[in-house]
Amino acid sequence: NAGVTQTPKFQVLKTGQSMTLQCAQDMNHNSMYWYRQDPGMGLRLIYYSASEGTTDKGEVPNGYNVSRLNKREFSLRLESAAPSQTSVYFCASSEGYGELFFGEGSRLTVL
Amino acid sequence: RKEVEQDPGPFNVPEGATVAFNCTYSNSASQSFFWYRQDCRKEPKLLMSVYSSGNEDGRFTAQLNRASQYISLLIRDSKLSDSATYLCVVNMNSGGYQKVTFGTGTKLQVIP
Repeated sequence: NAGVTQTPKFQVLKTGQSMTLQCAQDMNHNSMYWYRQDPGMGLRLIYYSASEGTTDKGEVPNGYNVSRLNKREFSLRLESAAPSQTSVYFCASSEGYGELFFGEGSRLTVL
Repeated sequence: RKEVEQDPGPFNVPEGATVAFNCTYSNSASQSFFWYRQDCRKEPKLLMSVYSSGNEDGRFTAQLNRASQYISLLIRDSKLSDSATYLCVVNMNSGGYQKVTFGTGTKLQVIP
């Protein structure tokens, strides 16, 4: 059972480079989320998509863009990476107000 | 004040001990509550939902006190495999979407 799949799992970037984190879920969930997790800060919401075709900013959206390509896929783009974006990124999906299902995480280092 | 606050720990307890974690939330309009477990370098996974009446799942008991705005998790007969970070999660309907707020987590280390 795949659940939520994120790629890549690891990435090292130089300041100013761009990249896209991909996320796909096979549970037919309407809602999808991107979080970042930093030591001592907990999980913070970057962007979310309540349904296909809609996206909204979360708590820490600056420096990121997202695309809800279809119901399955929700990508996160860093246009010009900064060291402050070094973090672990988690994609998640849910249906209604229930359980969040997370991907395995993407560990990003920006030098 | 943080929306969801937890004692970061670490809680170091011997096998077989009972340990309790508390979590407080600031928004009285919060609607649903959960405990997630996160192993080192892994993704968070749902441990259990928390209901007003309290609920139990094996060695785990969760309680909700809406009046005082806190949630608790009790683990009885701790196992080595319980070592993890426990995240308190509070949900609220915010403009038609599920606003999910995570605490920073409480780290538990069960010692042989």
